[in-house]
Amino acid sequence: QQQVKQSPQSLIVQKGGISIINCAYENTAFDYFPWYQQFPGKGPALLIAIRPDVSEKKEGRFTISFNKSAKQFSLHIMDSQPGDSATYFCAASTQGGKLIFGQGTELSVKP
Amino acid sequence: DAGITQSPRHKVTETGTPVTLRCHQTENHRYMYWYRQDPGHGLRLIHYSYGVKDTDKGEVSDGYSVSRSKTEDFLLTLESATSSQTSVYFCAIRPGTGGSYNEQFFGPGTRLTVL
Repeated sequence: QQQVKQSPQSLIVQKGGISIINCAYENTAFDYFPWYQQFPGKGPALLIAIRPDVSEKKEGRFTISFNKSAKQFSLHIMDSQPGDSATYFCAASTQGGKLIFGQGTELSVKP
Repeated sequence: DAGITQSPRHKVTETGTPVTLRCHQTENHRYMYWYRQDPGHGLRLIHYSYGVKDTDKGEVSDGYSVSRSKTEDFLLTLESATSSQTSVYFCAIRPGTGGSYNEQFFGPGTRLTVL
């Protein structure tokens, strides 16, 4: 019940296209859903986060869509660029702040 | 990296030896975390701290211990390293108050190899 399942494991997108990464969870006590971006040899960096009282949050080219009834959330990267090539992790936590991470998606944006 | 440093950044050690990793923050955040990252598993929580001398176990705590004697330092110790503890270790911090109270910020990581 503590798991967060992420898909796909890897994704190849053409420059200018839309990248979509999906996550699903079981624990209805989760109340904070962040996405992290990680470049090789670096620590994960917080990209964008959402709470379950909203269905969508947008920051620049990055959008989180949240479906509370389906217990799913997704990251959309619009106008994907080669510089977006990285590994992306979804996560979830309760008010205690302990993050449960998905397995990660390796995104490659081809020029 | 949000005022977080980890040391050492790389370490190679032998099975059975003790190892201590250090996380140091300059943000005065209350919460500190240790995660390990392994292929196919994402990041998994080892231990965390919610204040000086206040710590608790995470998802994969067996074989690890932690200590926090000052707000800025959080130490992770492998009492007797095993090959299964070869991993990349990340420290994270969280303010716990204010508008970004839930946001966790990660350090640069320590790559540990146990031979």
